[in-house]
Amino acid sequence: GAVVSQHPSRVICKSGTSVKIECRSLDFQATTMFWYRQFPKQSLMLMATSNEGSKATYEQGVEKDKFLINHASLTLSTLTVTSAHPEDSSFYICSATTQENMNTEAFFGQGTRLTVV
Amino acid sequence: AQRVTQPEKLLSVFKGAPVELKCNYSYSGSPELFWYVQYSRQRLQLLLRHISRESIKGFTADLNKGETSFHLKKPFAQEEDSAMYYCALQTGANNLFFGTGTRLTVIP
Repeated sequence: GAVVSQHPSRVICKSGTSVKIECRSLDFQATTMFWYRQFPKQSLMLMATSNEGSKATYEQGVEKDKFLINHASLTLSTLTVTSAHPEDSSFYICSATTQENMNTEAFFGQGTRLTVV
Repeated sequence: AQRVTQPEKLLSVFKGAPVELKCNYSYSGSPELFWYVQYSRQRLQLLLRHISRESIKGFTADLNKGETSFHLKKPFAQEEDSAMYYCALQTGANNLFFGTGTRLTVIP
């Protein structure tokens, strides 16, 4: 199946700094990428949907100025957590799909564990 | 609003026993439902989707619109089935809403 690579897998940062997480589709062109957040013992929560070349669509309650999403190419989307705080510590997962696979299957990255100290 | 409920966080069965992972949903539109699985130290991956009506690794799931359920079943559990299972509802173009997941442990 298609491969989605997410980097870094783990990151520890100081409170107040910004962290960038990359999500790459390695062997296909991802027309749409999704960013999820997972709190401990809770489900994945969709944060935002990004289409290549356009602004991301954020879910209700997600601060777009806090979580900056860029989808500059068909193979790369980035999530930047700005001015990180300890409450931003979480597991972030991206997924990607293609126009052909729309409504059929999303391919997931391996996730990024963010710890803000 | 859409909602996916997986009432069991943990489920343990013996090898060879039948297993059923429950999933109920709430959605005003026409539901597209999926089961995703995450094996230990691996990424989340699609197990099956209701529209294909397929059996993957011996698992099946039937959409019951009357009961708003999409339970995952397997007649004979195997050790390699031990994993985290997520039921997911698709509302738009791959906008997935996940349940809280059920960790299945198959006891040898």
